[in-house]
This record gives sequence, C-alpha cells and structure tokens, in this order.
Amino acid sequence: DIQMTQSPSLLSASVGDRVTLNCKASQNINKNLNWYQQKLGEAPKLLIYYTNNLQTGIPSRFSGSGSGTQYSLKINSLESEDAATYFCLQDSEYPYTFGAGTKLELK
Amino acid sequence: EVQLVETGGGLVQPGKSLKLTCATSGFTFSTAWMHWVRQSPEKRLEWIARIKDKSNNYATDYVESVKGRFTISRDDSKSSVYLQMNSLKEEDTATYYCTTRGAYWGQGTLVTVSS
Repeated sequence: DIQMTQSPSLLSASVGDRVTLNCKASQNINKNLNWYQQKLGEAPKLLIYYTNNLQTGIPSRFSGSGSGTQYSLKINSLESEDAATYFCLQDSEYPYTFGAGTKLELK
Repeated sequence: EVQLVETGGGLVQPGKSLKLTCATSGFTFSTAWMHWVRQSPEKRLEWIARIKDKSNNYATDYVESVKGRFTISRDDSKSSVYLQMNSLKEEDTATYYCTTRGAYWGQGTLVTVSS
C-alpha cells in the first residue's frame, strides 16, 4: 500500500499568515492527490483535486502543487474559519490512502 | 442538491454483524462509483471499499483489513449503497462515511464494537 506522510502534524499560525502543508507519498502517485479540510463533527470537505485543481466553491486562497511523491497545500491570507484538520488522499491506486492529517490552529 | 445519508450504525458486540445503508439523491447514482471511508476515534481516515457501476460490472475493491469480512453492494433502483459488516472487531469502531466523486460525503454513522 502507498503510505502518505503529512507534515507538520500541528501548525499554529495567525490570521493573515500564509502557510504550507506537506504530503509525501511512499511512491510516485502521478499527481493523483486530493486535499480535504475537516472541522469537528463534520465530514471531510474536498478543497483540491488532482494536485492543483480548486474544487467549486473553495476560496482562491487555497492552492495545491506537487508531483511525483511530494505535494503541498498553500493557504494564503489565513482566515479564522480555516482552523481545521487537513488531510491528503492518494487515489492513484487501491487501496486509496490518507495522510494522518495536519491540525491548523489559529493563534 | 446532492445528499448522502448513512444509517444503520450502533453498538454491536465483537463477532457480530451490522449492515450500513447509504441513501442518495441529487445525482446520477447509476453511473457513480461509490465508496465507504471510515474514521477512527483517533481521527484517522481509512478508505475501505469501492463499488463501480453496471458498465464496469459492479466491480469491488477492499482494503486488506476488511477483506473477507465486509461486503459492499448497491441497488441502483433505490440509489443506495450498502456495507455488510461481519465478524466485527473492536478495531472496526469508527464513523463510517459513504462518498462519491471525492466531493460528496454523507454525515457519517457511528459504529461501536464493544462487549
């Protein structure tokens, strides 16, 4: 199975900051990488699909990049509503696998 | 509006069975590939099963940890997908979500396996 390693596990930032969340795959996943945001008590919400495609309705301050085994999610101009846990998911091959998540806290 | 609603969760003893249902609306269910994903109490997400559509012979795939115990199925006439869970273990305790196309998720149903 493909292992997905997210870093950091915890990130503390302030409103207005720019942050980068990382996701590393144990093998080449050919950009088949999605990013999800999850808030307490809610289902995961798709932000980015196929590495850098913004899901409909998601603010443009979210962006994704990467290739091969290394991927990142950037959030520009943090807003208080961005406090959440972020997960990456590889859907390159079965079984699909998720990273353990990055918890983003707002100071 | 796309809706996915999971039902059937609850408290069950180890070794017992449970069947989850995901009723959907608002999209063309018959051509959608449907998935089940679970989230442990520690908040780890795990993809567990997928069923393709009729044109792909309803092919299924499972994560190794549930193979031989869980069965995913669908009823296109009811726009519903199911997860039959047998021989449940304490480590199957989780919130179970159905999802499709990456973007559409239900609210989840909690399964607790405990004696």
